[in-house]
Amino acid sequence: GAVVSQHPSRVICKSGTSVKIECRSLDFQATTMFWYRQFPKQSLMLMATSNEGSKATYEQGVEKDKFLINHASLTLSTLTVTSAHPEDSSFYICSARDAIAGENEQFFGPGTRLTVL
Amino acid sequence: GQNIDQPTEMTATEGAIVQINCTYQTSGFNGLFWYQQHAGEAPTFLSYNVLDGLEEKGRFSSFLSRSKGYSYLLLKELQMKDSASYLCAVKDSNYQLIWGAGTKLIIKP
Repeated sequence: GAVVSQHPSRVICKSGTSVKIECRSLDFQATTMFWYRQFPKQSLMLMATSNEGSKATYEQGVEKDKFLINHASLTLSTLTVTSAHPEDSSFYICSARDAIAGENEQFFGPGTRLTVL
Repeated sequence: GQNIDQPTEMTATEGAIVQINCTYQTSGFNGLFWYQQHAGEAPTFLSYNVLDGLEEKGRFSSFLSRSKGYSYLLLKELQMKDSASYLCAVKDSNYQLIWGAGTKLIIKP
């Protein structure tokens, strides 16, 4: 099946620093990638939808200047958490939709656990 | 508003059968998904239903009734490794996935 990777898998940073998370589709082209955040014992919360070559669409309540998304190619999207604070500590998961296979399935990356001290 | 309801937690015995229900109210419907998520890991795809009826895939089956806004995931011959959270998600009229909060399934020997 389709594989999506994320890097890094875990990151610990100091408050005020920026953290970049990469999401790659390894064996397929993804015109659309999604970024989710999941707090402990809660469901996935969609942060933004990233389309290759265009600006990301952010969900209500998600600060686009704080969570910068770049989808520069059909296999790579990045999420940068700028000026991270302890409340940004969470599990960040990306998913990608296969441009050829259609819209019926999203393939998830393994997630990135961010801890802001 | 849009809403997905599923039980918070269920407990079952190894070797038994368990049914996890999901009811939804969404603006439009373009399919329902079930995902499995082990603690600390990303979700993995289990099933997709867009038409009414039962879809069987090995030990797992998923049922959909669009008129009732209802689905269930049926797990047979439970194994300890099936202990996980099971997420129900509906694709709405904008093709956006609306997620339920997940059902934590605990399997006991």
